[in-house]
Amino acid sequence: AQRVTQPEKLLSVFKGAPVELKCNYSYSGSPELFWYVQYSRQRLQLLLRHISRESIKGFTADLNKGETSFHLKKPFAQEEDSAMYYCALSGHLGAGSYQLTFGKGTKLSVIP
Amino acid sequence: GAGVSQSPSNKVTEKGKDVELRCDPISGHTALYWYRQRLGQGLEFLIYFQGNSAPDKSGLPSDRFSAERTGESVSTLTIQRTQQEDSAVYLCASSFGTSGSWVGETQYFGPGTRLLVL
Repeated sequence: AQRVTQPEKLLSVFKGAPVELKCNYSYSGSPELFWYVQYSRQRLQLLLRHISRESIKGFTADLNKGETSFHLKKPFAQEEDSAMYYCALSGHLGAGSYQLTFGKGTKLSVIP
Repeated sequence: GAGVSQSPSNKVTEKGKDVELRCDPISGHTALYWYRQRLGQGLEFLIYFQGNSAPDKSGLPSDRFSAERTGESVSTLTIQRTQQEDSAVYLCASSFGTSGSWVGETQYFGPGTRLLVL
């Protein structure tokens, strides 16, 4: 079974402070991991994925297989970062079947 | 053109009635997915269509749920004999599906249909 855990439902930080949104996963194989974001009144959209090793809007995420984590980080939070963030894992279920499993999400609130 | 669209945006129904939710994927996307998001919960995978292959129905919660897709275009999710626990936001997403699997593919989401079963 594959599982994604986001331990914080709500995270509040001050503008300019560092942000870390935690994500831990459970999966026996080699996972593909993603962060999706949903801004207020907008649809869910991809923020970044670990295979791209990219930085989007100042956010980065490193896959740590030893700790089974994929935490999302940004050194200086901005007000426009306030949104709902979802960590997701794509894992192989066998016979060519894959499933994307989402965490319950963390609501990030950046205080001016 | 436009992104993934879904209709209706909101649906209120009475317990026991059937409902049909529609999804129009991005043109050219061969893969289409349905998810459910209950209040305070994460997104729950329901079903996945890839081209002409048999759909992956492993996430459908009961036989009251079914989905169809016409070729590589519109999809409808049908919930029969709705129950109050079916109340949720139903999200549709699509992706290029070029890899034959959806590992690593970016999924583009629709705005969702908010279903309320009274």
